[in-house]
Amino acid sequence: ETGVTQSPTHLIKTRGQQVTLRCSSQSGHNTVSWYQQALGQGPQFIFQYYREEENGRGNFPPRFSGLQFPNYSSELNVNALELDDSALYLCASSPGQGETQYFGPGTRLLVL
Amino acid sequence: AQSVTQLDSHVSVSEGTPVLLRCNYSSSYSPSLFWYVQHPNKGLQLLLKYTSAATLVKGINGFEAEFKKSETSFHLTKPSAHMSDAAEYFCVVSTFTGGGNKLTFGTGTQLKVEL
Repeated sequence: ETGVTQSPTHLIKTRGQQVTLRCSSQSGHNTVSWYQQALGQGPQFIFQYYREEENGRGNFPPRFSGLQFPNYSSELNVNALELDDSALYLCASSPGQGETQYFGPGTRLLVL
Repeated sequence: AQSVTQLDSHVSVSEGTPVLLRCNYSSSYSPSLFWYVQHPNKGLQLLLKYTSAATLVKGINGFEAEFKKSETSFHLTKPSAHMSDAAEYFCVVSTFTGGGNKLTFGTGTQLKVEL
């Protein structure tokens, strides 16, 4: 059984650019959540997708958007990158809403 | 709103001695609580979870946690620390967000294990 995978592992962008991060959920999981972890802090909830629909969002601006595909993989898109967007972005999948979340290794984004 | 407070930002123990990482929670109803561990430059690994069954929860790698409603606590313990336990530990509460749920993390406790 394959766990949660994320790509790329590292990414460097400049301010104002756009970025897309990808996540493949664990086999049998239909729910994907995204979190941002700034250096030295705990992860912060961005949003959750269940069966291709967003069903919960944290305190992040609209330039953070996402998608979930029929195979339950997911993308996180961030437009107009700011320096403060530099962080580790974590994806977690779960077998259903309200179920335990299992995390991928993360994508480390650096915005210069 | 549900939240968790980790009482220690750093804990240092000697190898072979007990580990205690403290967490208090705030919730208006019976919460779902978790401990996750994060090793340097790695993602988060689930150690254990409490979901209103037994109050003493056993996890992986010899860790366990006890849910105490009267004290609103969910402390993580291990009888004997190993060097490989050195990592950041997060106490987490699950909060319903309408259709789904989100995890709210504490600020983390950095565990250092010394020889």
